[in-house]
Amino acid sequence: GAVVSQHPSWVICKSGTSVKIECRSLDFQATTMFWYRQFPKQSLMLMATSNEGSKATYEQGVEKDKFLINHASLTLSTLTVTSAHPEDSSFYICSARRLALTEGIQYFGAGTRLSVL
Amino acid sequence: QKEVEQDPGPLSVPEGAIVSLNCTYSNSAFQYFMWYRQYSRKGPELLMYTYSSGNKEDGRFTAQVDKSSKYISLFIRDSQPSDSATYLCSGGSNYKLTFGKGTLLTVNP
Repeated sequence: GAVVSQHPSWVICKSGTSVKIECRSLDFQATTMFWYRQFPKQSLMLMATSNEGSKATYEQGVEKDKFLINHASLTLSTLTVTSAHPEDSSFYICSARRLALTEGIQYFGAGTRLSVL
Repeated sequence: QKEVEQDPGPLSVPEGAIVSLNCTYSNSAFQYFMWYRQYSRKGPELLMYTYSSGNKEDGRFTAQVDKSSKYISLFIRDSQPSDSATYLCSGGSNYKLTFGKGTLLTVNP
C-alpha cells in the first residue's frame, strides 16, 4: 500500500503559461501533502506543506502567488505554476503523509519534469 | 552549515560488496530518520525509517542512528546492480523532512 500518483510525469510549456500538477494518494487518505523541488544533483527542497481544507504553508523564499497549491480532498493536492518562466524549469515531486498515523513517513510520487521554453 | 550533510559521491563498488552510506546532521530537534532510494528521474522510495538510536535491519539493509554524535548510516549487504541509485538520508520533526544531497551509488556486475 501507500501509493502516490503524480501527473503529468513530463510537461513542456511556453513561457507565460500556467501548468497544473496533480498529486493523488491512491490507497490511503493523506492528512498532509508536501511539494518539493529538485534541481539536478541537488537535494529535495521543500516548497510547501498542505493540509486538506486549509491554506498551504510555504517555505521561506517560495512565492505563494507563483506556486498555487490546492488540497481539495484527503486524496488530492494540486500545484499550479503560474506564468511559468524558464527559471521555473525543474523536477517537482509531491509526497503524502497518512491520516491518523503519527509517524512522519512520507510517500512520494514519481515526480513531474517541467520544461519551460 | 546545512542541517543534513551527505557526501554526494559518486560511489562505485563491485557486485556483492558491503556498502556504507553516511550522513551527519546538526538539528537536535530531529525525532526520526529515514533513508530513501531514488532512481534517475523518479520519485524517492522509502527504504528504512527509525525513531531512536541503534540499529534497524530489513533484509540486506541496516540503518544505524547515533543521536549522541548526530550520525546516521545505511549499510547494504551483498550489493546488487539493481541497488544502483541515489540514496537520500533525511531527518524529521513536526512531520517535515530535511534531506541530504544524496549519494550516487553504482554497483558493477
